[in-house]
Amino acid sequence: LAKTTQPISMDSYEGQEVNITCSHNNIATNDYITWYQQFPSQGPRFIIQGYKTKVTNEVASLFIPADRKSSTLSLPRVSLSDTAVYYCLVAPGYSSASKIIFGSGTRLSIRP
Amino acid sequence: GAGVSQSPSNKVTEKGKDVELRCDPISGHTALYWYRQSLGQGLEFLIYFQGNSAPDKSGLPSDRFSAERTGGSVSTLTIQRTQQEDSAVYLCASSRDRGAYGYTFGSGTRLTVV
Repeated sequence: LAKTTQPISMDSYEGQEVNITCSHNNIATNDYITWYQQFPSQGPRFIIQGYKTKVTNEVASLFIPADRKSSTLSLPRVSLSDTAVYYCLVAPGYSSASKIIFGSGTRLSIRP
Repeated sequence: GAGVSQSPSNKVTEKGKDVELRCDPISGHTALYWYRQSLGQGLEFLIYFQGNSAPDKSGLPSDRFSAERTGGSVSTLTIQRTQQEDSAVYLCASSRDRGAYGYTFGSGTRLTVV
């Protein structure tokens, strides 16, 4: 299972764009990159998943360079409600579900 | 059901007692996972069930912890002779046979051992 490294915490202000980068140097060919968001007293919630290049949905964008050894979650125009812990996961996708190991995540704090 | 349901939502127990935590996964999800999250910490993998295969128990911290999944659906996590260090939120998740994309978590059971 590919190990991931991401910043422990980040601070930003409302209305700003926030980029959280995750390193995964030993990512495998069949691994997908998935980001989850966790609010206090709740389980993690799926945000976005990608394999290469760029993926965008109504919540975020995910940028993955050609070597796939890192990925960047981009949150446009954050608000106070985006304060949460964000987890980067690397695991086989669209195949047999397998044990998923979560890292420590990035604690994002948004200020007024 | 529409989501993953866990019960109870909160449990306070005395040290040395046994506790059972229940997880109802999303209907049709073949994979079920248990995680533990201590206050302010990340998720610690405990055990993983996939269909009728033998579960992956590699994350269970001691032999006081066990889990079963009946009929490929409901799962119960049992902690025997609870200790104070067992206090945490226990999260259950289920997924289709599609890897990380289909991972849906319950709201967890907050266990406090006093």
